[in-house]
Amino acid sequence: AQSVTQPDIHITVSEGASLELRCNYSYGATPYLFWYVQSPGQGLQLLLKYFSGDTLVQGIKGFEAEFKRSQSSFNLRKPSVHWSDAAEYFCAVGVRFGNEKLTFGTGTRLTIIP
Amino acid sequence: GAGVSQSPSNKVTEKGKDVELRCDPISGHTALYWYRQRLGQGLEFLIYFQGNSAPDKSGLPSDRFSAERTGESVSTLTIQRTQQEDSAVYLCASSYRGGRSGPDTQYFGPGTRLTVL
Repeated sequence: AQSVTQPDIHITVSEGASLELRCNYSYGATPYLFWYVQSPGQGLQLLLKYFSGDTLVQGIKGFEAEFKRSQSSFNLRKPSVHWSDAAEYFCAVGVRFGNEKLTFGTGTRLTIIP
Repeated sequence: GAGVSQSPSNKVTEKGKDVELRCDPISGHTALYWYRQRLGQGLEFLIYFQGNSAPDKSGLPSDRFSAERTGESVSTLTIQRTQQEDSAVYLCASSYRGGRSGPDTQYFGPGTRLTVL
C-alpha cells in the first residue's frame, strides 16, 4: 500500500523568504502526486499535480514541486512567500490503476512572520 | 459554477446517536469520495463512488459507517451509534472520470465538523 510522509509538522518562514516543504512517498511504481493547501475554514485546494513527463511541475500561486524518483520525494517550493500563504499543506499520492483514492500525509502547517 | 457543497457545516451529537452528512458534488462529476480528517492528522479515505459501479468501501472503519449515492448526484454518509472517536471533519470530493490521461483532480467541499459528546 502507498504511504506519504511529511516530516515537518510546523514551519515558520519570514515573509519574502523562500520555502521548501518536504514530502516523501512509498509506492511500488510511479504514482500520481499532489499538493493541496487548506486555509482556515476552507476546503482543500489543489496547488499542483504530477503524473508523467517533466519532473518539475508548476502550480498556482507561484508554487512548484519537483518529482525525484531516486529519492521518492515530491517537495514543494516557492521562491518568495506571502503572508497569505499561511495555511496547512498536504502532500498526497494516488495510484495509477483503480479508483484514484488519495493517500494523504499528515500535513505541514506554515506560519509566516513579518 | 458551484463547487462541492456539504451540509451541515457543523454537527454536535451525543454518543450513541445516528448522524447523516450530505454532499452535493459538482454537476457532471461522475466520481465522489468521502474522507475523514481527524485533528492534527491527514485525510483518511472512507468510500468511493463511480457512476453505477459498486462503491469501494474499503476505507470504512466499521460497520457503523455507510454511504449512499443516488446516481451521479447527492451522497449521504451515515454514522450509526456514534462514538467519541468519530469526532472529525468529514470531507467530500468529486471528480470527472473522463477519458483524459493523467489523474483526475478531486475538488473538495468545505467539510462537516462532527463533534460527538
